[in-house]
Amino acid sequence: GAVVSQHPSWVICKSGTSVKIECRSLDFQATTMFWYRQFPKQSLMLMATSNEGSKATYEQGVEKDKFLINHASLTLSTLTVTSAHPEDSSFYICSAPRGSLGEKLFFGSGTQLSVL
Amino acid sequence: GQNIDQPTEMTATEGAIVQINCTYQTSGFNGLFWYQQHAGEAPTFLSYNVLDGLEEKGRFSSFLSRSKGYSYLLLKELQMKDSASYLCAVREDSNYQLIWGAGTKLIIKP
Repeated sequence: GAVVSQHPSWVICKSGTSVKIECRSLDFQATTMFWYRQFPKQSLMLMATSNEGSKATYEQGVEKDKFLINHASLTLSTLTVTSAHPEDSSFYICSAPRGSLGEKLFFGSGTQLSVL
Repeated sequence: GQNIDQPTEMTATEGAIVQINCTYQTSGFNGLFWYQQHAGEAPTFLSYNVLDGLEEKGRFSSFLSRSKGYSYLLLKELQMKDSASYLCAVREDSNYQLIWGAGTKLIIKP
């Protein structure tokens, strides 16, 4: 069964609104979670690393004020797309490492965001 | 700089064997991963290699040569459901971040 749960699976919103995406580790604690964006027919692009109890680390070119990340507990990280615009429409995926060395990376099911 | 190369697309026949290659150039190496991703879905973990050699797991095997910066994923007895993108990713150091290849789209024909 799934070890990382991501909600919602898809969302359609109006331009200018904010959308929150949740990522939960179901049967393990995740001090670190990753957020990716994937455009059609392209590979995963790491947006940021979410750290429990501290600020997220953003990749170059990713606006931290637009993509708010909160890792409030050891099992939950949220990504909020603020003031969404059509160019933010994409497939957003979270992941969490598991295993003694973090060698396995488990992914949420992804969220397809469409901004009208 | 960091670079991971894998073929963009491959085609194979149902029941056959296919090998998907991945070469990498990174500043460090702490493991190589293969993931399978079906269209519109999140990637799923297939294999992890940190030492040289072949790791076999059912119909899928993964090979690593650290000296050559090279890995391959071998899929045997291909099934139609194996049609997907296969992503190669490298971890450079002790943190959990991965550097991702662009993925290889595998098309299986009857």
